[in-house]
Amino acid sequence: EAQVTQNPRYLITVTGKKLTVTCSQNMNHEYMSWYRQDPGLGLRQIYYSMNVEVTDKGDVPEGYKVSRKEKRNFPLILESPSPNQTSLYFCASSFGTTNEKLFFGSGTQLSVL
Amino acid sequence: AQSVTQLGSHVSVSEGALVLLRCNYSSSVPPYLFWYVQYPNQGLQLLLKYTTGATLVKGINGFEAEFKKSETSFHLTKPSAHMSDAAEYFCAVTNSGYSTLTFGKGTMLLVSP
Repeated sequence: EAQVTQNPRYLITVTGKKLTVTCSQNMNHEYMSWYRQDPGLGLRQIYYSMNVEVTDKGDVPEGYKVSRKEKRNFPLILESPSPNQTSLYFCASSFGTTNEKLFFGSGTQLSVL
Repeated sequence: AQSVTQLGSHVSVSEGALVLLRCNYSSSVPPYLFWYVQYPNQGLQLLLKYTTGATLVKGINGFEAEFKKSETSFHLTKPSAHMSDAAEYFCAVTNSGYSTLTFGKGTMLLVSP
């Protein structure tokens, strides 16, 4: 089944403790992206990648890192999480090097205490 | 830079009534516009998109949207609402390179019997 898989689904952590949210897609998509969703703010793009080893900042990249060493994986890294990073995170991928049709994962609810 | 404004954070309709969700955009280049739907506890799913060509775009589940350049609008409509349409709807605009995607804040559609 074609899908974007995020793990974990729920995560509670404490300020400053490094964490990684994994994202994997099995559709051979070049384009991948991370978003955060906050009530009343919609989705905001954190980082995107148009191909292996190619990443770029979105609208809200501060406090986040990404890497794209393989086509299928695009992990989101929070080196030192803070409470303002408490949010619902979505990974998405798209065919080709564009975001013309995004397929979304089921989301990761992160709480930073 | 592009932006999207969705009018109304909540819209309530009765089953069988017309659905109209409003979206206005701002873009310095010819826009590429999208509507996504998010059902509870799920990721987003593409409803329809406008890139070039016909300004009336048909999507899944009976939804359609019309691109009106003179009004900078891309409103989403459905002639007859179903209970299963209850969800949150997001309008989005991308740049011409399809690299960055900007979402509106979302409109929650409530459908009553």
